[in-house]
Amino acid sequence: VQVVESGGGLVQPGGSLRLSCATSGFSVSRQFMSWVRRAPGKGLEWVSVIYSGGGSDYADSVKGRFTITRDTTKNTVSLQMTSLTAEDTGVYFCVRAMEDWGQGTQVTVSP
Amino acid sequence: QAILTQPSSVSASPGASASLTCTLRSGVNVVVFHIYWFRQKPGSPPQFLLRYNSDSDTQQGSGVPSRFSGSKDASANAGLLLISGLQSDDEADYYCMIWRNSAWVFGGGTKLTVL
Repeated sequence: VQVVESGGGLVQPGGSLRLSCATSGFSVSRQFMSWVRRAPGKGLEWVSVIYSGGGSDYADSVKGRFTITRDTTKNTVSLQMTSLTAEDTGVYFCVRAMEDWGQGTQVTVSP
Repeated sequence: QAILTQPSSVSASPGASASLTCTLRSGVNVVVFHIYWFRQKPGSPPQFLLRYNSDSDTQQGSGVPSRFSGSKDASANAGLLLISGLQSDDEADYYCMIWRNSAWVFGGGTKLTVL
């Protein structure tokens, strides 16, 4: 099982960013996949989940701004982030079934 | 009040045992929840340690040694992570988590120091 995030970077407040999660060793259509973040000096915060059936849920802090999707043909999961603020700064982890974690990708929201 | 409360820090000696607590808010009954435990070392992603619901319903993370175990204290409304034979390498941040109301909820984390 492998989970690899990409797409992080520096973005201005109000901007958008799309994170991607490439996977191998399992099918994203048969697992629930989550995004979890850790802001500097803070603990882990769950962001979003996409279920094996295709439904999704979001933390209140990102609801309406973030969208999680998956491509079952490419076995990838994405997180489209819009209206970003400084509070969204952190390392974003893609997680299979809350068991297998990627190395994370850094998102920095700053002028 | 946070749904899951963890002490900010715990210290213990090498070779000793440590019990990390995860207290659920009043009205959120530990009996009905599966408690997940993770640890994160600096510069590394979090690692799934175990899921605990009961002694007959628990799941160890891949490669996680048996000296890590879970428990519940219903009287304290808390989940527990028990670590025996502490090693210096066990120094890390430890997080508990539950699934509640279509959301994963993390505790604030406990920094375990082994000295």
